[in-house]
Amino acid sequence: EVQLVESGGGLVKPGGSLRLSCAASGFTFSTYSMNWVRQAPGKGLEWVSSITSTSSPIYYADSVRGRFTISRDNAKNSLYLQMNSLRAEDTAVYYCATSAGSYPNYYFDKWGQGTLVTVSS
Amino acid sequence: EIVMTQSPATLSVSPGERATLSCRASQSVSSNLAWYQQKPGQVPRLLIYGASTRATGLPARFSGSGSGTEFTLTISSLQSEDFAVYYCQQYNDWPRTFGQGTKVESK
Repeated sequence: EVQLVESGGGLVKPGGSLRLSCAASGFTFSTYSMNWVRQAPGKGLEWVSSITSTSSPIYYADSVRGRFTISRDNAKNSLYLQMNSLRAEDTAVYYCATSAGSYPNYYFDKWGQGTLVTVSS
Repeated sequence: EIVMTQSPATLSVSPGERATLSCRASQSVSSNLAWYQQKPGQVPRLLIYGASTRATGLPARFSGSGSGTEFTLTISSLQSEDFAVYYCQQYNDWPRTFGQGTKVESK
């Protein structure tokens, strides 16, 4: 069974940094592209970033490009999101999600439970 | 950026009735369109991909149709567990974009 467990969320001040992790199990992590999707409180879903199985290419939403960095460690079955220069509008639940489909047209298949990031002074 | 527009924002339906949700793309996404369901306090769940292919285990009352810019999710006979928010999402181009969601509520 696919399991995705996010961690690393919490309360951070504007301008601060946070590193999210997603521990994957139940599938061959190293062969899957992975994604981060977020959802602000009471709002809809917003794609944040995607990374292929080999870590190249990588894609970012304009709203986070230059501030967030996605990465992965296939040996540790883990996905990461380094978030710098955080803003109030980055407050959201952050989900990691597996990709499915044929490259480059991936949809989001399995989702983790999410981790809440709150940016507030 | 491809803008996804869902309608209506809220759909009031009685159990057993048919629900029809629409999703429009600002430019063609071919059949690279997925639908997700999210119940309150829960994680989004993939329902449909490729515009019309049901995800594993999805009841047959859910069906998707369309291609290009116009898509439809139909729930043929709404069950109590189907009241939720539904999102469409295109994966034809970067950035990946979602519609704003349609809330299906009990009439």
